[in-house]
Amino acid sequence: AQKVTQAQTEISVVEKEDVTLDCVYETRDTTYYLFWYKQPPSGELVFLIRRNSFDEQNEISGRYSWNFQKSTSSFNFTITASQVVDSAVYFCALSVDFGNEKLTFGTGTRLTIIP
Amino acid sequence: DTAVSQTPKYLVTQMGNDKSIKCEQNLGHDTMYWYKQDSKKFLKIMFSYNNKELIINETVPNRFSPKSPDKAHLNLHINSLELGDSAVYFCASSQGQGAKNIQYFGAGTRLSVL
Repeated sequence: AQKVTQAQTEISVVEKEDVTLDCVYETRDTTYYLFWYKQPPSGELVFLIRRNSFDEQNEISGRYSWNFQKSTSSFNFTITASQVVDSAVYFCALSVDFGNEKLTFGTGTRLTIIP
Repeated sequence: DTAVSQTPKYLVTQMGNDKSIKCEQNLGHDTMYWYKQDSKKFLKIMFSYNNKELIINETVPNRFSPKSPDKAHLNLHINSLELGDSAVYFCASSQGQGAKNIQYFGAGTRLSVL
């Protein structure tokens, strides 16, 4: 069975600070995919990134960066120079090749950026 | 243009009623899903359909019946609503089956059962 753990329930930082959201996953499959989604206060779920298990390169997209480490089964998400618009609930999710295509979500981290 | 659209956005109803939520995607995707988000924000898969065929039925009570008239639509009908059905229901779609496919979500339908 698959499991995703986001141990940080809530984080608050002052605007312009950097913040890292942790994600730890469990699976016995060798081929899997990791995702991050953002749920702003308006409620929709917005796709941010997908990573496959064979690609451990870190990724940067503007102020966002992701650190994937298979050795620690982690896929952490860092926001640099945070802005108020980054306030949202962030979900990490996992899908595996032999689990159909369902996403197993973590419980989410609520990030609040204080102006 | 909204890629995955759900209607209604809000649904308030009495216990015991039957209600439907509609979902349409204009992305040309083959696979559609229903997820439930509970009051603690936990998201869990309910169903998935690929080209109108049921692929995943994740131990959901049979009061919930998905229907896919074509691959662009996946509706969710709920019979005999219970208080515990109150949640946000999300529709999603992806291009094809398989773990690698990115799922794109609708804006959600907030169901409140009184």
